[in-house]
Amino acid sequence: SQTIHQWPATLVQPVGSPLSLECTVEGTSNPNLYWYRQAAGRGLQLLFYSVGIGQISSEVPQNLSASRPQDRQFILSSKKLLLSDSGFYLCAWSPPTQGSGYTFGSGTRLTVV
Amino acid sequence: QQQVKQSPQSLIVQKGGISIINCAYENTAFDYFPWYQQFPGKGPALLIAIRPDVSEKKEGRFTISFNKSAKQFSLHIMDSQPGDSATYFCAASLARQLTFGSGTQLTVLP
Repeated sequence: SQTIHQWPATLVQPVGSPLSLECTVEGTSNPNLYWYRQAAGRGLQLLFYSVGIGQISSEVPQNLSASRPQDRQFILSSKKLLLSDSGFYLCAWSPPTQGSGYTFGSGTRLTVV
Repeated sequence: QQQVKQSPQSLIVQKGGISIINCAYENTAFDYFPWYQQFPGKGPALLIAIRPDVSEKKEGRFTISFNKSAKQFSLHIMDSQPGDSATYFCAASLARQLTFGSGTQLTVLP
């Protein structure tokens, strides 16, 4: 069966510090991978998605970046965090075929102080 | 045209009642309509989904009603329980991407 792992679960970082969140998927090949951000009490904002190694599409211009160094690994990064980067970050995957739902990870609660 | 409009924003229901959440879309090319349930501090989890060639799908107490001509779909939770209290998101899929509604915070009173 397929599983998605996301870590860390919580993170408190000072303004201006770097960020690296990692997500890995097991039990599938060539998944579509997604990074979402959710502000408190708000909806899901798509940040990045990837359909293959090295293929990253950005939905929202910001100081975050994403990379996919391996087929089932998706990394969200920042060189310098802003207060506005605080939120709940979710990784998700879906099969490469169309018309499928996403499976979300357990999320990372990021607080920038 | 890619938007999915969800209502209401919040919903309070008595235990045993029926919870109804509605979504509307514009793009007729959407080909898959899932609903997600999210508890505080957790990632959303797929609850139930429907394809546009079906008008209704039922899984336990959860039912999706789909009206293709009206471009609307809804989630019905029968015999709502306090454990159903969560945020619910509808979504619509096109070309391997989901467009999410804004979410409905459901509270079921004991």
